[in-house]
Amino acid sequence: EVQLVESGGGLIQPGGSLRLSCAASGFTFSTYPMTWVRQAPGKGLEWLSYISGSSSTIYYADSVKGRFTISRDNAKNSLYLQMNSLRAEDTAIYYCARVSTILTVDLDYWGQGILVTVSS
Amino acid sequence: QSVLTQPPSASETPGQRVTISCSGSSSNIGSNYVYWYQDLPGTAPKLLIYKNAQRPSGVPDRFSGSKSGTSASLAISGLRSEDEADYYCAAWDDSLSGLLFGGGTKLTVL
Repeated sequence: EVQLVESGGGLIQPGGSLRLSCAASGFTFSTYPMTWVRQAPGKGLEWLSYISGSSSTIYYADSVKGRFTISRDNAKNSLYLQMNSLRAEDTAIYYCARVSTILTVDLDYWGQGILVTVSS
Repeated sequence: QSVLTQPPSASETPGQRVTISCSGSSSNIGSNYVYWYQDLPGTAPKLLIYKNAQRPSGVPDRFSGSKSGTSASLAISGLRSEDEADYYCAAWDDSLSGLLFGGGTKLTVL
């Protein structure tokens, strides 16, 4: 069974940093691209970043480019999102999601999400 | 403001059919696949449609997707109360090199 479990969220002050982790199981992690998506309270879904299975291809949304860094450790079956210079508008539930194939970007499995609150 | 435009809300009575539209441009819907997600309160989003019109296993055939030019639509037939949710379209944008989500459509089953 495919499972994605996020961790590392919480309350952080504006300007601070946080590192989210996503532990994957039930599939061959290294062969799948992965993404991070967030949803601010009462708002819609916002794609943040994409990383290929080998980490050779990475994309970011303009809203987080230069502040957030996606990475993965295939030996640990883990995906990460390093978030720096956090702002109030980064407050959201953050989801990691698996991309079903390298040729498409359908997100077929999602974690349960982790809440990040940026507030003083 | 999302580059993929969806109506903010839709409603229909049980048993009826509803269609949700998603309008984009040549750099996203016009040249890439469209995906649809269902977002129920308190749960992670669920993939409903991939590659414009394909359903993952387990998704009822009441849900169908289509695409024409720079627009796409999701149709739900035989509406049930449990279909009440937010629905999002998504597509890769070649100009932005990123995945776009529509603003979402809140479906109410009256």
